[in-house]
Amino acid sequence: GDSVTQMEGPVTLSEEAFLTINCTYTATGYPSLFWYVQYPGEGLQLLLKATKADDKGSNKGFEATYRKETTSFHLEKGSVQVSDSAVYFCALSDKFGNEKLTFGTGTRLTIIP
Amino acid sequence: DTGVSQDPRHKITKRGQNVTFRCDPISEHNRLYWYRQTLGQGPEFLTYFQNEAQLEKSRLLSDRFSAERPKGSFSTLEIQRTEQGDSAMYLCASSFRAGGGTDTQYFGPGTRLTVL
Repeated sequence: GDSVTQMEGPVTLSEEAFLTINCTYTATGYPSLFWYVQYPGEGLQLLLKATKADDKGSNKGFEATYRKETTSFHLEKGSVQVSDSAVYFCALSDKFGNEKLTFGTGTRLTIIP
Repeated sequence: DTGVSQDPRHKITKRGQNVTFRCDPISEHNRLYWYRQTLGQGPEFLTYFQNEAQLEKSRLLSDRFSAERPKGSFSTLEIQRTEQGDSAMYLCASSFRAGGGTDTQYFGPGTRLTVL
């Protein structure tokens, strides 16, 4: 079945550092790919998405490119802020099915000033 | 639009008791999903509705679990004879699906269940 493998955390970075969180997937169909973020005490929020190969999703300075050849969707940000501290989840959905989301285990990111 | 709401936010119960959770989706969203999230893990799919029809249930959903969405609006998730292993965060999400494209799921704040 479908699965998502995510870089294990926790990850601790200094403010203004470059961020990469790795995500790879296994899917039988043609999935859409997502990054969701969970800030402390809040619910899951969609951060960005990409629906086909070579698409780039971007939001709030974060970017991720759908790479079919490497089955990856790595999350990047050039300069992180303390407010980016959260848990980040990579996920996929089968766009031709019921579009249920299959999530990775999450990566906890802490940014220190 | 106030987003997806869930009630209660927290529930503590004793093993063997029945519990029911409610989810109110974003109005006019025709799809509603239930997920379960345990500590340190990502959410896992439980079941989903398109309007009032329950179209898929995960193998994770034992026969102690039942979900309904009468009239295609709010949904309830009931767990009978709760077990300690049912302790988790139960998440609801809704989306609008019309034709092609990928719909975006919007999540509620979750109901945290603790079974003693």
